[in-house]
Amino acid sequence: GESVGLHLPTLSVQEGDNSIINCAYSNSASDYFIWYKQESGKGPQFIIDIRSNMDKRQGQRVTVLLNKTVKHLSLQIAATQPGDSAVYFCAENMGAGTALIFGKGTTLSVSS
Amino acid sequence: GAGVSQSPSNKVTEKGKDVELRCDPISGHTALYWYRQRLGQGLEFLIYFQGNSAPDKSGLPSDRFSAERTGESVSTLTIQRTQQEDSAVYLCASSLERGRGNEQFFGPGTRLTVL
Repeated sequence: GESVGLHLPTLSVQEGDNSIINCAYSNSASDYFIWYKQESGKGPQFIIDIRSNMDKRQGQRVTVLLNKTVKHLSLQIAATQPGDSAVYFCAENMGAGTALIFGKGTTLSVSS
Repeated sequence: GAGVSQSPSNKVTEKGKDVELRCDPISGHTALYWYRQRLGQGLEFLIYFQGNSAPDKSGLPSDRFSAERTGESVSTLTIQRTQQEDSAVYLCASSLERGRGNEQFFGPGTRLTVL
């Protein structure tokens, strides 16, 4: 079975709102986490990553938060735009030499 | 090219036929991965190549699936005697090296439909 999952399969927001996409992981040995964005008909695109020795990392309009105590990962998108509409996947890696494990994804829909 | 490319983009085949999917990784990337993505699902790891090391085949679902890679270049994923449950998008990714902290760059995928 999958060790990475997402709380909500879909999320609908208005343009300009902040979006929060959540992910729960089950393996406490996981030490590297990534968020990917996948638009229709395209391959996943890397958004941001975080290592287990950090609890927050910021990028351009995106922030990833990691709570190792409850094994929870979130992606925050500021000022969400229609172009952010896509499926978002979290993935975990349990150390060097292991495969990335992906969750099922959350579909983000942004309306104008 | 600037990114990972895959061909064909779409493949429709009949049950029982063999298919071959191709991936051209980013030049200089030593690691190459194949994933399968069923409709509405996440990505399932299939196989990984790193340089000249033996591939990690732990994700291959059956012996009908195989993959090859020549050096650090093109890879082909072969599915023999295709079944309807093989219908999915097959994604290839490459990275500078395997392991933690190495971004994987994905191709657009090959959509396989088995009738």
